[in-house]
Amino acid sequence: DIVMTQSPDSLAVSLGERATINCKSSQSIFYSSFNKNFLAWYQQKPGQPPKLLIYWASTRESGVPDRFSGSGSGTDFSLTINSLQAEDVAVYYCQQYFDSPQSFGQGTKLEIK
Amino acid sequence: EVQLVESGGAVAQPGGSLRLSCAASGFTFDDYTMNWVRQAPGKGLEWVSLINWNGDRTHYADSVKGRFTISRDNSKTSLYLQMNSLRTEDTALYYCAKDLSPASCGGDCGGGMDVWGQGTTVTVSS
Repeated sequence: DIVMTQSPDSLAVSLGERATINCKSSQSIFYSSFNKNFLAWYQQKPGQPPKLLIYWASTRESGVPDRFSGSGSGTDFSLTINSLQAEDVAVYYCQQYFDSPQSFGQGTKLEIK
Repeated sequence: EVQLVESGGAVAQPGGSLRLSCAASGFTFDDYTMNWVRQAPGKGLEWVSLINWNGDRTHYADSVKGRFTISRDNSKTSLYLQMNSLRTEDTALYYCAKDLSPASCGGDCGGGMDVWGQGTTVTVSS
């Protein structure tokens, strides 16, 4: 099974600054037939279900602000939030859908400094 | 409006059974793989199971394999999770979630889960 490990577990960033969350998979999740990385990022605010932000590691879901961006390939990925807004306070999860069982990272809690 | 509404959560005893349902609306249900994802109190997300568009392919997390069964009724646009031999560690909020990409797209239109319900709570306790 593929294990997803996020770092850090929590992060405090000042408003207007950049936040970066890392995600590492225990094996490559790059699917050569599609030339894509099978990785998604989600945002979960308290009392709400998760919201899909990014898929294919770097493609923003419709309606997601462009201050959110994803990067990486193979086993190492990052979610970057530029110009942090108060409404970005949430827990962020990466997820691999390369193989079953699918798996999530443990989550990174993002707070305002 | 695209919507998923879960139901069936309850308090159950260890070793007991529950059946969760998820009613879908606002999209072509039989064109999408559907998932169950759970979240224990104060914990992270755990993918539980998926079923493809016509029900002939299912996958399970190791933690529920052999105890849980996912199914769907496309005529009723509904997803189900039969949960048997419940354990205290199955206590969680259970979400129903739709795959982003329709089956008709052949898997090349995107990944992840783009629509989620509000969840239904399962508590396993004696």
